[in-house]
Amino acid sequence: QVQLQESGPGLVMPSGTLSLTCTVSGGSIGSNSWWSWVRQSPGKGLEWIGDIYHTGSTKYNPSLKRRVNISVDKSKNQFSLRVTSVTAADTAVYYCARFRGDQILFDYYYYGMDVWGQGTTVTVSS
Amino acid sequence: DIQMTQSPSSVSASVGDRVTISCRASQDIRSWLAWYQQKPGKAPKLLKSASSSLPSGVPSRFSGSGSGTDFTLSISSLQPEDFATYFCQQVNTFPWTFGQGTKVEIK
Repeated sequence: QVQLQESGPGLVMPSGTLSLTCTVSGGSIGSNSWWSWVRQSPGKGLEWIGDIYHTGSTKYNPSLKRRVNISVDKSKNQFSLRVTSVTAADTAVYYCARFRGDQILFDYYYYGMDVWGQGTTVTVSS
Repeated sequence: DIQMTQSPSSVSASVGDRVTISCRASQDIRSWLAWYQQKPGKAPKLLKSASSSLPSGVPSRFSGSGSGTDFTLSISSLQPEDFATYFCQQVNTFPWTFGQGTKVEIK
């Protein structure tokens, strides 16, 4: 079955860039699913960051959009997250997930995030 | 953004009890809602989705209902492994948003 694994630095300097990669195993990132990043901090609960499709199409949370970039590398079956200009408020557990849905006629309908990585803790601190 | 409000924030219950968790959306989301279960130190796990076929393998004691703005997750007979935090997520309107969570604790 599909498994996801996040990787990347656990400590990032304030004003620096947070970079994480999610490796997909047991399935293809080119399947009919979106791939998501979600973070969780005690103060803000679960927060959706953004999604990417294997074509490179992206959706971002408007609250983070100007600082976030999500990319996909189909050759490595990976997708990645970059968050720039980080502050302590970006300290959280970061999860990658598969966001399932179906294409019906001209619209894509989303069902839910059915596979999650184990999560990686990122601390923003000097 | 659509605000998702769960109630209660926490509930104390015993094994065998029936537990009901509510989730209210600030706007009509039709039936596009997902429920997740999260245990300490673990990732959320999809419990119920907007599709009747996803996910598979969830015990039948978990049931979801509702449409529009009011939704409910019920656990018919609480088992020891059900003590966890439960989140709802609306998947109707971008940006996707989650409820703040309901913690089910042992009485």
